[in-house]
Order: sequence, then C-alpha cells, then structure tokens
Amino acid sequence: AQTVTQSQPEMSVQEAETVTLSCTYDTSESDYYLFWYKQPPSRQMILVIRQEAYKQQNATENRFSVNFQKAAKSFSLKISDSQLGDAAMYFCAYRVYGNKLVFGAGTILRVKS
Amino acid sequence: EPEVTQTPSHQVTQMGQEVILRCVPISNHLYFYWYRQILGQKVEFLVSFYNNEISEKSEIFDDQFSVERPDGSNFTLKIRSTKLEDSAMYFCASSDFDRQTNTEAFFGQGTRLTVV
Repeated sequence: AQTVTQSQPEMSVQEAETVTLSCTYDTSESDYYLFWYKQPPSRQMILVIRQEAYKQQNATENRFSVNFQKAAKSFSLKISDSQLGDAAMYFCAYRVYGNKLVFGAGTILRVKS
Repeated sequence: EPEVTQTPSHQVTQMGQEVILRCVPISNHLYFYWYRQILGQKVEFLVSFYNNEISEKSEIFDDQFSVERPDGSNFTLKIRSTKLEDSAMYFCASSDFDRQTNTEAFFGQGTRLTVV
C-alpha cells in the first residue's frame, strides 16, 4: 500500500529565513508523481510544486524547491525567504498516473515576524 | 485560467437528510475525484470516476455515497442519509488524460458540509 508520512506536525520559521518540511513515502511503483500542496485558513488546496519520479533534477518554483531522493523515498520542501503569506498547512502527496492522490497528515507552518 | 467549481461553498443539513454536492470539473478533463477532509485531519480519498463509471473507491465510500455525472459537465456527490460524522470539507478534483500533462489534479475550493 502507498503511504505518505510527514513527521513534523508543526514547524516555525522567522520571516526571511529558510525552512525545510520533511516527507517520506512508501511505494513499489517506479513511475509516479509527488506534490506539495498548501492549505491556507480558507482551506483551499493550492499546488505548490510537483516532481516527476523519472526526473533526477529537483523541481523549483521561485522560493520553493524540493530535495527528491528516490532511493530513500524522501521528498522534502524547502521554502526560502519565508513570508507571512507562507503560513499554512502543507501536505505532501503521492500519485500514480491516473490514480488518486495519497496525502500525508500535514505540517502546520507558522511564520514569525 | 480554467478551474474546478464547487457549489455550495457551505451546506448545513439535518442528520438523516440527503445532500448533493456539486462540482463542475475543467471541461477537457476525464478523471474526476472526491476527497474529504475532517477538520484538523488529513485529506482522504473517497472515489475516482472515469469513463462514466467509478474506477476506485475507498472504504469510506459506502452505500450511503454515490456519484453521478448527469449531464456531461456536472459531477455530483450524493450522501443519502447524513450522519454527524459526515461533517467535513469535501473537495472535488479533476485531471486530464494526456500522460504528459496528467501529472496533477486540480482542486475546487471545497464545500463545507455541516451536519446538525
């Protein structure tokens, strides 16, 4: 069974600093996709970044980047130059083509000014 | 930019009543999903729908739940007899068929269901 584990229930970061959120997953598939979703207080699910498992290069989107370690089944999210608007719940998720998303339990990120 | 639209944004219903949550997926998408998130908990998969039939469903998706694509644009989730524990945020999502682009599911803004 596919599982996604986020071991940090809550993280804090000072504004303008860098924070890394951890995620590990378990799968027997070789071709899959990984995602980080942000959920602000409005509870809408917003895609932050995605990574295709067949790509060795780590994905980046502006201040957001990932550290994808396929052998270790690890997929961490780094947020650089943290802003107050980054405060939210962050979910790591896994997906095989055409199939459902499997989510982790989430990490609450607090940003201090 | 195309988006997934859900209505209503908030639904309050009495226990035992039937409720229908509505979604309009992105027009050229072929995969449709419902997810549920109880307050403070993780997002859970309920059901996926492809080619006018359920392709996968979770243990949560019991006989009280059903999905339908009645008119080629709407995608609905029906709960026949609501329970208090059905109170949650319900998300609809869709994705397209092209393997090159079918890497992500697009989420609606959610419907908050409150059963009293």
